[in-house]
Amino acid sequence: SQTIHQWPATLVQPVGSPLSLECTVEGTSNPNLYWYRQAAGRGLQLLFYSVGIGQISSEVPQNLSASRPQDRQFILSSKKLLLSDSGFYLCAWSVSGPPQPQHFGDGTRLSIL
Amino acid sequence: AQSVTQPDIHITVSEGASLELRCNYSYGATPYLFWYVQSPGQGLQLLLKYFSGDTLVQGIKGFEAEFKRSQSSFNLRKPSVHWSDAAEYFCAVGATGANNLFFGTGTRLTVIP
Repeated sequence: SQTIHQWPATLVQPVGSPLSLECTVEGTSNPNLYWYRQAAGRGLQLLFYSVGIGQISSEVPQNLSASRPQDRQFILSSKKLLLSDSGFYLCAWSVSGPPQPQHFGDGTRLSIL
Repeated sequence: AQSVTQPDIHITVSEGASLELRCNYSYGATPYLFWYVQSPGQGLQLLLKYFSGDTLVQGIKGFEAEFKRSQSSFNLRKPSVHWSDAAEYFCAVGATGANNLFFGTGTRLTVIP
């Protein structure tokens, strides 16, 4: 069966520090991969999605970037965090060939001080 | 463009009562529709999906949803709510040719004893 791992679960970072969140999927090949941000009491905001290695689509211009160095690995990064980057970050995968259900990781709670 | 509206931000029901969560979508063609549930601090779990066929869809945890094309709705129902159903519920729509889903802003369900 397919599983998705996302870490860390919780992260506290100072303003201006770098960020790297990692997501990996097991049990499937060539998945579509997604990064979402969920602000407190708000819905999901799609940040990036990828349909293959090295293929990244950005939905919202921002302080963040994403990379997909391997088929089942998706990384969310920032060079210098802002206070507004605080939130709950969710990684998801789906079978390629839209539209398909997305399957979510357990999320990373990011707090910027 | 696709969009999803969940008109109810917060709903409170008594344990054992019936539940209906509303979802309206906007999409020109036949939509692909999903309901997800999110417990606090967790990722989203897929409850059910509608792609085509029977307009009444059964999901996990005793939930069902009915697709009504004439009303552009995909409401989630449960005949008898349990305290463990307290969570945030998200409706999502996907479209042919799109790599991502569009999520509503969610409905928070509180269950009182």
